[in-house]
Amino acid sequence: TQLLEQSPQFLSIQEGENLTVYCNSSSVFSSLQWYRQEPGEGPVLLVTVVTGGEVKKLKRLTFQFGDARKDSSLHITAAQPGDTGLYLCAGESREKLTFGTGTRLTIIP
Amino acid sequence: DTAVSQTPKYLVTQMGNDKSIKCEQNLGHDTMYWYKQDSKKFLKIMFSYNNKELIINETVPNRFSPKSPDKAHLNLHINSLELGDSAVYFCASSQPGYTGELFFGEGSRLTVL
Repeated sequence: TQLLEQSPQFLSIQEGENLTVYCNSSSVFSSLQWYRQEPGEGPVLLVTVVTGGEVKKLKRLTFQFGDARKDSSLHITAAQPGDTGLYLCAGESREKLTFGTGTRLTIIP
Repeated sequence: DTAVSQTPKYLVTQMGNDKSIKCEQNLGHDTMYWYKQDSKKFLKIMFSYNNKELIINETVPNRFSPKSPDKAHLNLHINSLELGDSAVYFCASSQPGYTGELFFGEGSRLTVL
């Protein structure tokens, strides 16, 4: 069974601070996706990274895929209250998507 | 115009009952899924259908039976409901293969008393 461990599990920080969320596995993935889920809604895709070492930026969010394609990180600069939500990484291998354990992020105004 | 819609959004029922959750997508996708999200927010795949054909069936009790009457619909029927079945069930769709984006419905919160 492929496991994707996310850390931290919970994170509560002040508006304007920076933060990093980690997604780690012992398995190699063909690609890795990051989703954000808000209360009462389904997850929504933020980004997909495919190549080892790839870095993608989405405004204040920076996503990186590890060189060995076993891990990924999400860095948020100058966090805003609108960034609050559950962040889920998901690794794809052999046409199967496995979700991570999730990081609940709260940005305090 | 909702892309992936599920009904009902909330479902409260007694142990031992049988219930169904319906899902429809208007994105023209070939692949549809059912995921279960537990109280710790862990999202786990249950089933996947590609053009009405079952392609993924994770270790799910036989009490759970998916049905896909056409590629735009994937329903989930649960027999003899147990307390541990309480969770949020998400329907999702995508283009063929897992490298594509998953489009999720809003979820159906099932509470078994």
